[in-house]
Amino acid sequence: GENVEQHPSTLSVQEGDSAVIKCTYSDSASNYFPWYKQELGKGPQLIIDIRSNVGEKKDQRIAVTLNKTAKHFSLHITETQPEDSAVYFCAVWPLGGKLIFGQGTELSVKP
Amino acid sequence: DTAVSQTPKYLVTQMGNDKSIKCEQNLGHDTMYWYKQDSKKFLKIMFSYNNKELIINETVPNRFSPKSPDKAHLNLHINSLELGDSAVYFCASSSVQGALGTEAFFGQGTRLTVV
Repeated sequence: GENVEQHPSTLSVQEGDSAVIKCTYSDSASNYFPWYKQELGKGPQLIIDIRSNVGEKKDQRIAVTLNKTAKHFSLHITETQPEDSAVYFCAVWPLGGKLIFGQGTELSVKP
Repeated sequence: DTAVSQTPKYLVTQMGNDKSIKCEQNLGHDTMYWYKQDSKKFLKIMFSYNNKELIINETVPNRFSPKSPDKAHLNLHINSLELGDSAVYFCASSSVQGALGTEAFFGQGTRLTVV
């Protein structure tokens, strides 16, 4: 089955710096890659996603890149703010299959 | 107006008891899920229902039994609770199972503590 590896497990940055979280997956047939943000005491919430026919997608301060050949994708957050502090999950959702999450990255943005 | 709501938010119970967690979604979605999040934050799918029918049943002990009375509700019943069942359980829903670009909406979670 699909396997998703996410790194790092924790990430601490200063406010205003950039943060990068990386994920690799195993099933080359996977074609949809969402990213979820989980704030304390809440459920995960979709923040951005990318499909396999696209190499990069940007939404204000967040961007996601996908390298299908290498089977890895990354989340980039620029100009980080304290409210970006949360746990971030990459995920893979094969067509007709299960939504599989990475292990999560706890991001801490220090003022 | 909450999209996916779970009750209760917190549940503390003794080993051996039986408990239920309820989930309701008002998004009109056909597919609902239960996920378990352990102490290391790892999210693992347990069950998936599409229009009241079970379509995914991961390697979960028989003590866990989901029930979907209609497509807007998916409840989770747990028999003979064990210490290892302590976790946060999330209900989620999506319009279609694994269609390209489908967003999964999660409830706020139920923190189960077995003592």
